[in-house]
Amino acid sequence: DVKVTQSSRYLVKRTGEKVFLECVQDMDHENMFWYRQDPGLGLRLIYFSYDVKMKEKGDIPEGYSVSREKKERFSLILESASTNQTSMYLCASSSVELAKNIQYFGAGTRLSVL
Amino acid sequence: GENVEQHPSTLSVQEGDSAVIKCTYSDSASNYFPWYKQELGKRPQLIIDIRSNVGEKKDQRIAVTLNKTAKHFSLHITETQPEDSAVYFCAATLSGSARQLTFGSGTQLTVLP
Repeated sequence: DVKVTQSSRYLVKRTGEKVFLECVQDMDHENMFWYRQDPGLGLRLIYFSYDVKMKEKGDIPEGYSVSREKKERFSLILESASTNQTSMYLCASSSVELAKNIQYFGAGTRLSVL
Repeated sequence: GENVEQHPSTLSVQEGDSAVIKCTYSDSASNYFPWYKQELGKRPQLIIDIRSNVGEKKDQRIAVTLNKTAKHFSLHITETQPEDSAVYFCAATLSGSARQLTFGSGTQLTVLP
């Protein structure tokens, strides 16, 4: 069974702080993704990675960066947190095998920036 | 890039009735269309998907239909039950090449007892 684990369920940070959200998957998946989920806006892709040290911008990358030093771990970084980054953040992973794009999600991190 | 629109944003049905959620997509090259269900406080999970070489797919009480010409696809849930209450997301992608999914904005389905 695929397991995608996000390090924190809830985080409260102050404006201007540097924030790290961590995600680990145990299925040796090549692809990993970071989304933010806001009511009425669905799941919006921030960044994704298809290999170690590789990253591509999604639809809303501004204010975020990512790091993928190991295949199983994908980190989302908020260099200087702002109140408009208060949101639910979801990590996902998928395999390139079978020509399918099934994504397996983590439980999410609810971030509040005060 | 791909753009996916989803309607309605909220849907309430009586238990036992059917529910239909509709999505349209913009990129005619997209060929893989999954549906995810997210129960309250839980992670999104795939419930059914369809490829562009198929017009309809069923799995027990849920079915998905695809109209490639009109570029829209729909989720049908029959004999709804309270446990069907959740947010449903449609998505589209070009399977096998592009790796990311483009999601719709979600539909909050409430099944009333």
